[in-house]
Amino acid sequence: QVQVVQSGAEVKKPGASVKVSCKASGYSFASYYIHWVRQAPGQGLEWMGWINPNSGGTNYAQKFQGRVTMTRDTSISTVYMELRRLKNDDTAVYYCAREFSGWFDPWGQGTLVTVSS
Amino acid sequence: SYELTQPPSVSVSPGQTARITCSGDALPKKYAYWYQQKSGQAPVLVIYEDSKRPSGIPERFSGSSSGTMATLTISGAQVEDEADYYCYSTDSSGRVFGGGTKLTVL
Repeated sequence: QVQVVQSGAEVKKPGASVKVSCKASGYSFASYYIHWVRQAPGQGLEWMGWINPNSGGTNYAQKFQGRVTMTRDTSISTVYMELRRLKNDDTAVYYCAREFSGWFDPWGQGTLVTVSS
Repeated sequence: SYELTQPPSVSVSPGQTARITCSGDALPKKYAYWYQQKSGQAPVLVIYEDSKRPSGIPERFSGSSSGTMATLTISGAQVEDEADYYCYSTDSSGRVFGGGTKLTVL
């Protein structure tokens, strides 16, 4: 079945970087954009950006530009989201999701990133 | 940056109709989508392209859009519909979510 599976929870110190992976299966990896969305504890959904797995092209939300990089490895149908210079308020669940005909489906299970000294 | 505005909360009794609004300047030109998120779970699409319902979503969920406002309507809300609901749309630079609306059914 179509699914995207994310890497496990991470604990990082302020100023560090985190890299979360998202492995796709059950469909043509290169044919659909992958987006990243995060959700801080008790807060709403926040769109971070997308990557085109075919070309590697990216589009980041202005808030994250300069601090986020999305990459892909087509040989293993996996995309990555790296966030640098972490702050306490980057603590959140990070989701990847395939864009299908304008909406997100499926979503990954989410990866909790905790930033704490 | 572009924003979508939702009420923070809506409360109805079981069997009543719940309406959740989403306002945004680009909605006359862009589709609205609605996601339902229950505690501890990933969001689930309940309405796409303003008013279309994905397979598997109950008929009591419907959507509409007029001018700068999109509306999610749950006709005869059930206790199991209690969740956070997010509208979502596109803008020239990417994608945007509304702030979310907590629907209470009790």
